[in-house]
Amino acid sequence: KAGVTQTPRYLIKTRGQQVTLSCSPISGHRSVSWYQQTPGQGLQFLFEYFSETQRNKGNFPGRFSGRQFSNSRSEMNVSTLELGDSALYLCASSLDQVLDSPLHFGNGTRLTVT
Amino acid sequence: AQRVTQPEKLLSVFKGAPVELKCNYSYSGSPELFWYVQYSRQRLQLLLRHISRESIKGFTADLNKGETSFHLKKPFAQEEDSAMYYCALWHQGAQKLVFGQGTRLTINP
Repeated sequence: KAGVTQTPRYLIKTRGQQVTLSCSPISGHRSVSWYQQTPGQGLQFLFEYFSETQRNKGNFPGRFSGRQFSNSRSEMNVSTLELGDSALYLCASSLDQVLDSPLHFGNGTRLTVT
Repeated sequence: AQRVTQPEKLLSVFKGAPVELKCNYSYSGSPELFWYVQYSRQRLQLLLRHISRESIKGFTADLNKGETSFHLKKPFAQEEDSAMYYCALWHQGAQKLVFGQGTRLTINP
């Protein structure tokens, strides 16, 4: 079974721009979660999608948004980029709730904002 | 606030020695706790969860509600155990995993 695939692996953007990250979950997984990882804050939950609906949301500004398609693939968008958005963005998929099925992580997209 | 604390950023032990990675949590409800591991150049992956009460790769973790801890232990460390370890708590209200800052474990030969 193919693992969680995130594209692109690396991105360099300028302040004020916007960016879209993509995540393809493991086949059959309907839940996709996004995390931001930084040296200072560690792993922070962004949001979770299940069957095309945002089910949960973390404490991030509205500049961070996402969506999920009918094939469970998910995209995350960050608008008006700030220097502090530089981070590794991890996507994770699971069958359903974390308590019932483990999270499977992708390799991440490393975003650098200059 | 719900929080997971891993007091050691770095931990270094010799091969064959016992290893203990500390994890403390604060949570008002009944906690569901996990340990995730990231080996060099690999993805973050689930190591074990307390509800399973299983031993994975020789590691065990016991939930101590009195001390609000979920320390990860292994009696005899091996070089392949070198990795980044994250303790995580399932926040039932917010329906999200709350991660600790992680501990980088290095096993010296």
